[in-house]
Amino acid sequence: EAGVVQSPRYKIIEKKQPVAFWCNPISGHNTLYWYLQNLGQGPELLIRYENEEAVDDSQLPKDRFSAERLKGVDSTLKIQPAELGDSAVYLCASSRSQGTGNTIYFGEGSWLTVV
Amino acid sequence: LAKTTQPISMDSYEGQEVNITCSHNNIATNDYITWYQQFPSQGPRFIIQGYKTKVTNEVASLFIPADRKSSTLSLPRVSLSDTAVYYCLVGASNNAGNMLTFGGGTRLMVKP
Repeated sequence: EAGVVQSPRYKIIEKKQPVAFWCNPISGHNTLYWYLQNLGQGPELLIRYENEEAVDDSQLPKDRFSAERLKGVDSTLKIQPAELGDSAVYLCASSRSQGTGNTIYFGEGSWLTVV
Repeated sequence: LAKTTQPISMDSYEGQEVNITCSHNNIATNDYITWYQQFPSQGPRFIIQGYKTKVTNEVASLFIPADRKSSTLSLPRVSLSDTAVYYCLVGASNNAGNMLTFGGGTRLMVKP
């Protein structure tokens, strides 16, 4: 079974430029997450989708960040414009929605450097 | 969401058993305890999950006392490749609580 796939793996952009990250969750996983991880810290949730609905986006900085999951499968996270402080790893994860003790599976992350 | 407290770092030697304890004093009835492992340049990887007593898989064991206010991840006979950050998380089992909050994790360094 394929895991969570993310692209690009690495991205370097200049500040004020836009950037987008793509995620393909594990097949059959209805819940999709985007996390932000700064160096030396644990991941922090940005947004959680149940199918195509964003059920928790309280931690997403909506002035410059946006996300979508149009068909309830793939998702895109966008930053526009990027700032120096956005340099971090952006992790996508997925899990099944039903059942107890659902395990969240992570992709390898998209590493963003803003210069 | 229950907050977790775990040691910032630990050192061990190859072949030793490593026990990492996590405190979660305000764990809720529906919360499960989950441990993740993260290597540099990779996303977190699920290790083990439990609700109470003891859980064992091919990688680790998880010990949870009756009051569930703490848990201990046990890694038998660690090797250099077990050097990583280990995160303890608690989260609810229902749909609304399917979000897990990460703390700072425990950085395990295995030495030769």
